[in-house]
Amino acid sequence: AQKVTQAQTEISVVEKEDVTLDCVYETRDTTYYLFWYKQPPSGELVFLIRRNSFDEQNEISGRYSWNFQKSTSSFNFTITASQVVDSAVYFCALGPGANNLFFGTGTRLTVIP
Amino acid sequence: DVKVTQSSRYLVKRTGEKVFLECVQDMDHENMFWYRQDPGLGLRLIYFSYDVKMKEKGDIPEGYSVSREKKERFSLILESASTNQTSMYLCASNRGGLYGYTFGSGTRLTVV
Repeated sequence: AQKVTQAQTEISVVEKEDVTLDCVYETRDTTYYLFWYKQPPSGELVFLIRRNSFDEQNEISGRYSWNFQKSTSSFNFTITASQVVDSAVYFCALGPGANNLFFGTGTRLTVIP
Repeated sequence: DVKVTQSSRYLVKRTGEKVFLECVQDMDHENMFWYRQDPGLGLRLIYFSYDVKMKEKGDIPEGYSVSREKKERFSLILESASTNQTSMYLCASNRGGLYGYTFGSGTRLTVV
């Protein structure tokens, strides 16, 4: 069975602090894909990153970084030097492919100016 | 700018009404999806379509049907709306395979 757990329901940080959003997944598949999406107050989910199960290399994109660890079935997302514009709900998702994604329940991040 | 457009941002309907939620994408994507988003439950897949006139049930298809007569348009139909279908409905599309989804802005449906 596929499952994604985002244990942090809500997080508040002060601007410029670093923050890590946790994502733990369960799957029996040997090949799978992990995603992160951002949902700002406007409501439209924005694709941030895709990772496949064979690529454990961490990725950095500006202030965003992702830490994929198969040993702990985790795919955590860190925002460095947070900004007010980072306030959003963030979803982690797991799929055998992008045609069938299982989403976590989301983490609401509030960045306080 | 490529887009997925949902026809209504907010909708209020009465119990028992037949409700149509429309979604149009301009990216020539093969796949289209309907999700509902509820607090504490995340996004749950209702139906998806990988081609014109093709559809597949997702995790929670009961009470819903879909129509895809043209590649760019994917409609979600609530045959007889009920209060437990009050939710945010999100449409998405993708090119298929490994590509991320492009989402619409959502339709917040309230059934009274």
